[in-house]
Amino acid sequence: AQSVTQPDIHITVSEGASLELRCNYSYGATPYLFWYVQSPGQGLQLLLKYFSGDTLVQGIKGFEAEFKRSQSSFNLRKPSVHWSDAAEYFCAVGGNTGTASKLTFGTGTRLQVTL
Amino acid sequence: GAVVSQHPSWVICKSGTSVKIECRSLDFQATTMFWYRQFPKQSLMLMATSNEGSKATYEQGVEKDKFLINHASLTLSTLTVTSAHPEDSSFYICSAGGAYSYEQYFGPGTRLTVT
Repeated sequence: AQSVTQPDIHITVSEGASLELRCNYSYGATPYLFWYVQSPGQGLQLLLKYFSGDTLVQGIKGFEAEFKRSQSSFNLRKPSVHWSDAAEYFCAVGGNTGTASKLTFGTGTRLQVTL
Repeated sequence: GAVVSQHPSWVICKSGTSVKIECRSLDFQATTMFWYRQFPKQSLMLMATSNEGSKATYEQGVEKDKFLINHASLTLSTLTVTSAHPEDSSFYICSAGGAYSYEQYFGPGTRLTVT
């Protein structure tokens, strides 16, 4: 069974500081990996995704993530956080089926940005 | 990216009544749609997967007779919560994926409150 662990429930960083959100996954084969962001009361916005190829993927809003198979990790990073980045971040894993497959989400990390 | 809409965005209903939530793919044909539920400050949990023209596949623990899912066309799926109770109050999010595509696109969500 596939699963995702986001060990940090809540993170606070200062505006301008760097950010790393951790994500570990469990999946029997090569997974599809995603990071989504959710503002309160809103739907999900895709930040970036990994399907194959280059293990360092770039996303929107200056985010990037690195797929490390040996560590079963897909950590999200941003070099300089903006106050507008405050939100809930979800890591998700999906099956490598060739079509859209059901996603398993982590429990989320709430990011707070201090000015 | 592709656009998925949900209607209504929020709904309040009385205990014992039924409520229908629509999920539409506006600019692509959604061969597969997924329904997720999110309780406050929690992650998204997959409820069911539906393929156009087929019966939905429900996740373990989800009552198929209570959460009726219909995916009769390539652009519309509906979730009907029958005989709703206060514990069904939640944020319901759909997503849609096209044929031969790994990605799925999320709707903005519907907040259901059962009084």
